[in-house]
Amino acid sequence: DAGITQSPRYKITETGRQVTLMCHQTWSHSYMFWYRQDLGHGLRLIYYSAAADITDKGEVPDGYVVSRSKTENFPLTLESATRSQTSVYFCASRGQLGLAGGHTGELFFGEGSRLTVL
Amino acid sequence: QKEVEQDPGPLSVPEGAIVSLNCTYSNSAFQYFMWYRQYSRKGPELLMYTYSSGNKEDGRFTAQVDKSSKYISLFIRDSQPSDSATYLCAMSASDYKLSFGAGTTVTVRA
Repeated sequence: DAGITQSPRYKITETGRQVTLMCHQTWSHSYMFWYRQDLGHGLRLIYYSAAADITDKGEVPDGYVVSRSKTENFPLTLESATRSQTSVYFCASRGQLGLAGGHTGELFFGEGSRLTVL
Repeated sequence: QKEVEQDPGPLSVPEGAIVSLNCTYSNSAFQYFMWYRQYSRKGPELLMYTYSSGNKEDGRFTAQVDKSSKYISLFIRDSQPSDSATYLCAMSASDYKLSFGAGTTVTVRA
């Protein structure tokens, strides 16, 4: 099925462990994003990627690493998890702007990965 | 101060009422304005999209943008229990990197 999928949906880990959240999209969208959602903060951008092998920091990148070797995959790694990284993580994708800049700006979100760091 | 401010609510209304949601922002470069709807334990999905100032209507939903006041609104007419969700405003200057509000949780009581 076409869409954007995240795995795992739920993860419990311990402080100091490495965790990788996976994101896969089937539309061949150029842009992909990782957000975290916390109560009172809404969605905050962690990292984004404009194309394969092109990534850039968002608003809250510290403690996270991303890679994008293939257009369809955009994994997010917490190298040494901390309790403050307990959150719901959303991956999103969108296509390139249209010729007249007519892209709707719509992001397509996955269903989220709920991470708890003990 | 956050770039986008949104009252988190929660907001509880009876079925059939008008729901009014709003956001204020500080970045005058924003020109793309969106409202996303997020059901419990799901990802957000685009509900309304407006470019620059003005109104946009889609069925029971109306989005308004007032750039002079840096204020955007979403109105839901004849609200239904199925409208119960969290509504997030989002805006962008460049149309690829969005700044989100904190989200307002709405419950429509049958």
